[in-house]
Formats: sequence, structure tokens, C-alpha cells
Amino acid sequence: DVKVTQSSRYLVKRTGEKVFLECVQDMDHENMFWYRQDPGLGLRLIYFSYDVKMKEKGDIPEGYSVSREKKERFSLILESASTNQTSMYLCASSSGTGIPKDYGYTFGSGTRLTVV
Amino acid sequence: DAKTTQPTSMDCAEGRAANLPCNHSTISGNEYVYWYRQIHSQGPQYIIHGLKNNETNEMASLIITEDRKSSTLILPHATLRDTAVYYCIVRVSTASKLTFGTGTRLQVTL
Repeated sequence: DVKVTQSSRYLVKRTGEKVFLECVQDMDHENMFWYRQDPGLGLRLIYFSYDVKMKEKGDIPEGYSVSREKKERFSLILESASTNQTSMYLCASSSGTGIPKDYGYTFGSGTRLTVV
Repeated sequence: DAKTTQPTSMDCAEGRAANLPCNHSTISGNEYVYWYRQIHSQGPQYIIHGLKNNETNEMASLIITEDRKSSTLILPHATLRDTAVYYCIVRVSTASKLTFGTGTRLQVTL
């Protein structure tokens, strides 16, 4: 089975801290994504990456950055955590583009981050 | 990507078929219909996808109308474990970005 593993299930951080959320996938997928999910707002795309060292902004990139130094790992960085970044963060990966039998995204279990 | 419209919530009795509709009237010829579901406190899970023809796998069936403006996800024998939020997404296969709406909350009851 494809596995997308997020390093922490629950995390509590203080306002102003630099926070790293780690995501690792084991299927050699080219594409990786970070979403956040909030009640009533659904899943919103923060950043995504099509290849190593490549990144693109999603719909809500403000206050976040990402790093993809290796194909299997995609990190989300909160440069200075704020209370409005308290949320569920979900990482996903998918195989390359244009494949008719593309089975879509595989998601991790999520990290519930609380900023106090 | 085309926009989709789904009912906010639905109920289904255990053992009965759950039919979840999705409207995607602005779908383009090269856009696929994808279905995901999210069980409480877990990441979304891929269910099925299709372009024009009806599709079936071990989890569900996908019925796409001839004009492709709407589709229905069918869970043939719903169980309590199928209680989840179901997302219908339209996406060009060569475009990797998925945009989730608010989905349909399916409640399966005894």
C-alpha cells in the first residue's frame, strides 16, 4: 500500500515559534501537497511541489513556506506560528501527470496543530 | 477545473444502497470526475474516478450521465463504516491540483 506518513498526529506550539511539519511518501510519487482543513471551510491548498526543489503556491500560502530537498519528503514550515494557524494539516502525494489510470491522491492521517 | 454541486447531507439505512449525486454542468471534455471520502479524523481516501463510461470497483460504482453534466456515486450496500463526507471533484488528469468543495455528509444508520 502507498503510505504517506506525517511525523506527528498532534502538536502544540507557542505563538511566534518556527514550526516544521514533515511528510514522507514511499511510492516514488512526483507530486506532493499540503492542505489545511478547518470546520466549514473544507480543505484548502497551501503549497504543492511537482518535483524536487520545485514548489508552487496554492490558494492560501501566506505565513507558510515549504521545502522539498528529496523526492520522498515535503516539509511545511510555519515561520512564526500564530493562533489563526491552529488547524488540521494534511499532506498528500500523487503520481505524475497525464496518466489515464491515475488513482489520484493518497493522503496522510493529518497533523492537528494547536498554536497557543 | 469545473465547479461541482453536492447536497450538504444525506441519510441512508445500513444495508441499502447509498446514491450520492453530483452536478458538474460546466465540465470540459478532458475533465475526469473523481470521488473521495473522508472519515472523521482521517485524511481523504480515493474511491473512484471516470471520464465518460460508468466505472465500478470494489468500493463503489460511478454512473456518469451521457452529457457528463452530472454523476452519481453508488455504495451498493452501505455500512456504518461508510459514514463520512464524500467529495466529488472534477479535474483534468494532467493537472495535479485537486480542489475540494464542502462535500456531502453521509450518515448511515441502523
